[in-house]
Amino acid sequence: NAGVTQTPKFQVLKTGQSMTLQCAQDMNHNSMYWYRQDPGMGLRLIYYSASEGTTDKGEVPNGYNVSRLNKREFSLRLESAAPSQTSVYFCASNDAGSYQETQYFGPGTRLLVL
Amino acid sequence: ELKVEQNPLFLSMQEGKNYTIYCNYSTTSDRLYWYRQDPGKSLESLFVLLSNGAVKQEGRLMASLDTKARLSTLHITAAVHDLSATYFCAGTQGAQKLVFGQGTRLTINP
Repeated sequence: NAGVTQTPKFQVLKTGQSMTLQCAQDMNHNSMYWYRQDPGMGLRLIYYSASEGTTDKGEVPNGYNVSRLNKREFSLRLESAAPSQTSVYFCASNDAGSYQETQYFGPGTRLLVL
Repeated sequence: ELKVEQNPLFLSMQEGKNYTIYCNYSTTSDRLYWYRQDPGKSLESLFVLLSNGAVKQEGRLMASLDTKARLSTLHITAAVHDLSATYFCAGTQGAQKLVFGQGTRLTINP
């Protein structure tokens, strides 16, 4: 099992460009999440999807859109990138409702917006 | 709104010593998580604490939860260099939203 995979690993964008970050999991988890990690601030939830067909806003959703393509895949789109979106983006998944419910994280995408 | 605060944020210690990282949270949280992150890497789940008084141990790490005090601790016993990493605690806001602390960067020197 690959667990949670993310593409790309690194990306440099110019202000105003758009891009989509891809995430897939092979653990048959119901729930998937997108976080951003900035220095000194821990991780902050951008959007999550409790189950296929549903998405909800997290703490910092402005400037982002998401799509839960199917049970395995959850993408994050930046329509018009801004320097403030320079960050490391992590996707995670879990089997919400299970006893442990720990979230499993992907390797991250490092994004630089110039 | 749940807020999670860790202290200390930076910790440098010698091998063989014991120390504790503290995680305070502001409102009720169904459960408390501890994660480890190595530089440039992803997060690895360490512990999930589900109820008041819960204690879990793995090797030199032990985590505990006091829901009345809204406090979780991560205790390191006889530290070794391999435990150098950043440690995050996280509480839950609503059913699935994790709220993370700022992280504690732990450096263990020989």
